[in-house]
Amino acid sequence: DQQVKQNSPSLSVQEGRISILNCDYTNSMFDYFLWYKKYPAEGPTFLISISSIKDKNEDGRFTVFLNKSAKHLSLHIVPSQPGDSAVYFCAALNTGNQFYFGTGTSLTVIP
Amino acid sequence: DVKVTQSSRYLVKRTGEKVFLECVQDMDHENMFWYRQDPGLGLRLIYFSYDVKMKEKGDIPEGYSVSREKKERFSLILESASTNQTSMYLCASSSRRGQALNQPQHFGDGTRLSIL
Repeated sequence: DQQVKQNSPSLSVQEGRISILNCDYTNSMFDYFLWYKKYPAEGPTFLISISSIKDKNEDGRFTVFLNKSAKHLSLHIVPSQPGDSAVYFCAALNTGNQFYFGTGTSLTVIP
Repeated sequence: DVKVTQSSRYLVKRTGEKVFLECVQDMDHENMFWYRQDPGLGLRLIYFSYDVKMKEKGDIPEGYSVSREKKERFSLILESASTNQTSMYLCASSSRRGQALNQPQHFGDGTRLSIL
């Protein structure tokens, strides 16, 4: 049973525009959420995170929004750059130590 | 910087062989994880360990075992490799919750394993 879902397998965006990647979760016990970026033949690298006590966290071009009532989070990349083309995974953590990952969204930024 | 090192980037083995994938981390993390990544399925947890000699099954433990004899090293073992175990295998580590502010997992570069 997938507790973290990314319903869009792929997304294409023009360079300079905003990329919005979405993620939904089902477990209300999750209290820490993360986004990872993965290039082919490399391991995922941590991008940005948010605690459940917040609804927004910003780091440069990357902003994560959390809507707890909807059990939804999103990653905004503004402006998008060709180097942002990668697979993005969202992940969630509950009170334990196990991370739950979505299936990933492949972002292509078109120059 | 956290370093998670997987012993091989690419590995080719034959059906029925016993396969060892090694992972070492240098940040004294308590938690270590093994995932496999397959197209359309994302990252699926095979096993994780929250302490030396401790292990917990993840979502897809069948056909795999693990060993954690030292804190920095976590090994994944394919007891008798099969073609459906061809995949990208990713090792990760993290600090234990409660001992630090929330910390992300850190991943190795992965091992692309092909079973012929």
